[in-house]
Amino acid sequence: QSVLTQPPSVSAAPGQKVTISCSGSSSNIGNNYVSWYQQLPGTAPKLLIYDNNKRPSGIPDRFSGSKSGTSATLGITGLQTGDEADYYCGTWDSSLTTWVFGGGTKLTVL
Amino acid sequence: QVQLVESGGGVVQPGKSLRLSCAASGFTFSSYAMHWVRQAPGKGLEWVALISKDGSNKFYADSVKGRFTISRDNSKNTLYLQMNSLRAEDTAVYYCARDQTTGTNLDYWGQGTLVTVSS
Repeated sequence: QSVLTQPPSVSAAPGQKVTISCSGSSSNIGNNYVSWYQQLPGTAPKLLIYDNNKRPSGIPDRFSGSKSGTSATLGITGLQTGDEADYYCGTWDSSLTTWVFGGGTKLTVL
Repeated sequence: QVQLVESGGGVVQPGKSLRLSCAASGFTFSSYAMHWVRQAPGKGLEWVALISKDGSNKFYADSVKGRFTISRDNSKNTLYLQMNSLRAEDTAVYYCARDQTTGTNLDYWGQGTLVTVSS
């Protein structure tokens, strides 16, 4: 059971928008930065969003992040088949003094 | 460009030990904290351990505490994970990752090395 809770799967049609939620607590999301990672099939994870809502260089603005209280959300607009991947949220947990990941969400672009 | 290359994976019997290495290049290794993260076959990401820039602070997941040791050699730009008393449930791809600003995000990842614990 992950400390951060994500939906196991989401799906949407090409060109549409999807959001992925990540729910935590005051010891993790509530008081620390959230980051998001994309893992394409058979590859290593890649940083997608950091500091709640910032995009690393090279990440298109179709990807966005937000945080409110103890929850965070990843948004993806203009869905492409190449966006099919597993997405993970992550943050530091100040009580556990460990990094924590969500269980991951599999995105299917129908 | 930033590169992280893991090595040392393989097949090992339960109860045995293995040491993973992660060779870093393209950045000032001693300026960044580093993580180990693993992924069991078909499963999600599981954080394993974190070491501070100078190696003075180390943090571990409960699942590996007391069995695994994270360390680094800044003179060799290399991160290590010593894994003792290995169990079948330690079977996973192990990734090393750089921490952009300690405890905030993992901005670069290696390609991973597979550890299989089996008799």
